[in-house]
Amino acid sequence: DSGVTQTPKHLITATGQRVTLRCSPRSGDLSVYWYQQSLDQGLQFLIHYYNGEERAKGNILERFSAQQFPDLHSELNLSSLELGDSALYFCASSADKISGPQHFGDGTRLSIL
Amino acid sequence: EDQVTQSPEALRLQEGESSSLNCSYTVSGLRGLFWYRQDPGKGPEFLFTLYSAGEEKEKERLKATLTKKESFLHITAPKPEDSATYLCAWIGFGNEKLTFGTGTRLTIIP
Repeated sequence: DSGVTQTPKHLITATGQRVTLRCSPRSGDLSVYWYQQSLDQGLQFLIHYYNGEERAKGNILERFSAQQFPDLHSELNLSSLELGDSALYFCASSADKISGPQHFGDGTRLSIL
Repeated sequence: EDQVTQSPEALRLQEGESSSLNCSYTVSGLRGLFWYRQDPGKGPEFLFTLYSAGEEKEKERLKATLTKKESFLHITAPKPEDSATYLCAWIGFGNEKLTFGTGTRLTIIP
C-alpha cells in the first residue's frame, strides 16, 4: 500500500460529459502529480502541484484541469469527454518539490462509451 | 532529444534464472533515474532512485546500477511473484516531469 488514495476506482460515462477524479496524497507529502496511462501511449505526465501551487504541466489537454486544495488533496477535472480519453489516470505524491521518488495510487479507470 | 529506451520489451525466465533489464538514456542533464514495478491494474510501485554514475541500490532479489549511459536492473534467482512490468523513468535538471520508458514485461515461469 503506497498510502496514496484515489477515488473512484472505476468510472463509466458518455462522450461530452464531465468527471472529477480525486486523489489523497501520502501523509506529509506536499507534491501531487497526475498521469495518464493508455495502451498505446504508456505513462504520460499531465500536471504537478506543490503545496497548492501549479509547478509544471505536461501534455495536458485544455479540456482537463486540476487543483490542489489546502488540505493537500487534489482533483483532476476532465470535461467534454471523448472516446480517446478512456485510460487509467494515476495520481502520485512526493515529499520532495522536484526530484524525490513519487509514490503512486492504484488509479482511476475511466471508460467513455 | 532526451529519451530513455528499455530492453528487452518482454522477457521470460525460468524460476531461479538470473538476468538483467536495461534502461539506456540520452539525457543531457540527469537529475535522477528511477525504477518502478507495475502489476496489471495497479499503480507503479517505487523500487529505487539512482542519482549518479557508479551508484548501486539493492532490495531483496533486485539490484539497480547506473552508469553515464544506462541503468541495469539485475534480478537474482527470481521467483514467480517477481513477474511484472518494470519501468524506468528519469527527471532532468530544468525539467521537473518524470518521463517513463515503455517498460519490460517480465514473466517468471515456475
